[in-house]
Amino acid sequence: KNEVEQSPQNLTAQEGEFITINCSYSVGISALHWLQQHPGGGIVSLFMLSSGKKKHGRLIATINIQEKHSSLHITASHPRDSAVYICAAAGNMLTFGGGTRLMVKP
Amino acid sequence: ETGVTQSPTHLIKTRGQQVTLRCSSQSGHNTVSWYQQALGQGPQFIFQYYREEENGRGNFPPRFSGLQFPNYSSELNVNALELDDSALYLCASSTGHRSGANVLTFGAGSRLTVL
Repeated sequence: KNEVEQSPQNLTAQEGEFITINCSYSVGISALHWLQQHPGGGIVSLFMLSSGKKKHGRLIATINIQEKHSSLHITASHPRDSAVYICAAAGNMLTFGGGTRLMVKP
Repeated sequence: ETGVTQSPTHLIKTRGQQVTLRCSSQSGHNTVSWYQQALGQGPQFIFQYYREEENGRGNFPPRFSGLQFPNYSSELNVNALELDDSALYLCASSTGHRSGANVLTFGAGSRLTVL
C-alpha cells in the first residue's frame, strides 16, 4: 500500500463544473503539497499547507490532520485546468501520490 | 528572480553508461532535491542537498549520487545505467533543511531514455 493515495486517478469534467481531488496519507507530516503538472513535465507548486484551508483564485485546498486527508477543489473549471494534479506529503522525506489526470472539456 | 533551470532537457544513453544531469537553483534558495518520475507515475524522492551536504535520501542505490556546489546548483550522477532508469528527472529548490517543509520551485525536468 502506498503511503500517499490519490483519487480519482482520472477525471473528466465539463467546463464550469466543480471538481474535487482527494489525497490520503499514512505518514506523519509537517506539510502537504499540491502540485500541477502539464504535458511535457514541468511542475508548478499550487499550495503547501499544514492545517486548515488555503485559497488562490479558483483553487481551494483543505487538510484534516486528524483524518490524514486533504482535498483540492477547483471551482468553475476551465479547459486550461487540464493537467495532472499531484499531492505530496512531507514526512521524513517528500512522498508523492500517483497523480490525478484531469481533463476539462469545453 | 530566476527560476530553476535543468540541463539537458532530453538525452539518450545506452545500458552501462553514465549520465550527469544539472540543476541551477532559484536565487535565494539553498536546498536542492532530486526526483525520478517514471512514465504515468508520481515522482519519487532520490535525495536532497542542503548547503552542499546530502541530508536526505530515498530508496535509490548508491549508483545514484549527487553534488551541490557553493552557488547551490547541483548535479545528479547515475552510473551503470539500466533500462529502468529511463524517466523524467526533476529537481526542485527551496529554503531550509527539512525535506518538503518549504515551498518548492521545480525545474522543467531532464528526460532520460536508456536503450
